[in-house]
Amino acid sequence: GQNIDQPTEMTATEGAIVQINCTYQTSEFNGLFWYQQHAGEAPTFLSYNVLDGLEEKGRFSSFLSRSKGYSYLLLKELQMKDSASYLCAVKDSNYQLIWGAGTKLIIKP
Amino acid sequence: DVKVTQSSRYLVKRTGEKVFLECVQDMDHENMFWYRQDPGLGLRLIYFSYDVKMKEKGDIPEGYSVSREKKERFSLILESASTNQTSMYLCASSFLTDTGELFFGEGSRLTVL
Repeated sequence: GQNIDQPTEMTATEGAIVQINCTYQTSEFNGLFWYQQHAGEAPTFLSYNVLDGLEEKGRFSSFLSRSKGYSYLLLKELQMKDSASYLCAVKDSNYQLIWGAGTKLIIKP
Repeated sequence: DVKVTQSSRYLVKRTGEKVFLECVQDMDHENMFWYRQDPGLGLRLIYFSYDVKMKEKGDIPEGYSVSREKKERFSLILESASTNQTSMYLCASSFLTDTGELFFGEGSRLTVL
């Protein structure tokens, strides 16, 4: 079967660093996405990884290891506005996205 | 600025009613999608469309139908709403040959009583 796992909830402190993990088991792999979704709002695109390694974009970085079926999203210098759910999604053989349930990130002052 | 607009943010309907959810995008995207989002579950694909008048079933099409008469508009129809269709419905669009980055609407929260 196809499966995407990520923690349900994480808590971190303003100004700190947090790493949100995502593991996947899919029949095929054609890329991995991270989206951010604030409560009551639409998901918005954060990153896309198709090759192994780290992609850095400002305070956010995303890492992929295809051999391990593993990705993480790294958020640095956390701000209160980073409180949101973070969704991991894998593009499968039909080029459709399989979604994890999301990780709710709570930032405390 | 790119925009996907869903017609209703909040709807309350009764069991058995017909429900229309409309979605319009202004980015000239070929692909359009309807998802539902429920607590503790990932987004689940209901239907998608690669072109006008074209539709494909997603993972959970039962109880739903769609219509795409114009490129910019993709409608989701619940022929006879049931309580288990109470959910958040998200419309999204993307370019056909792109990485697959999706642009989402704000969502329509449907409650079926």
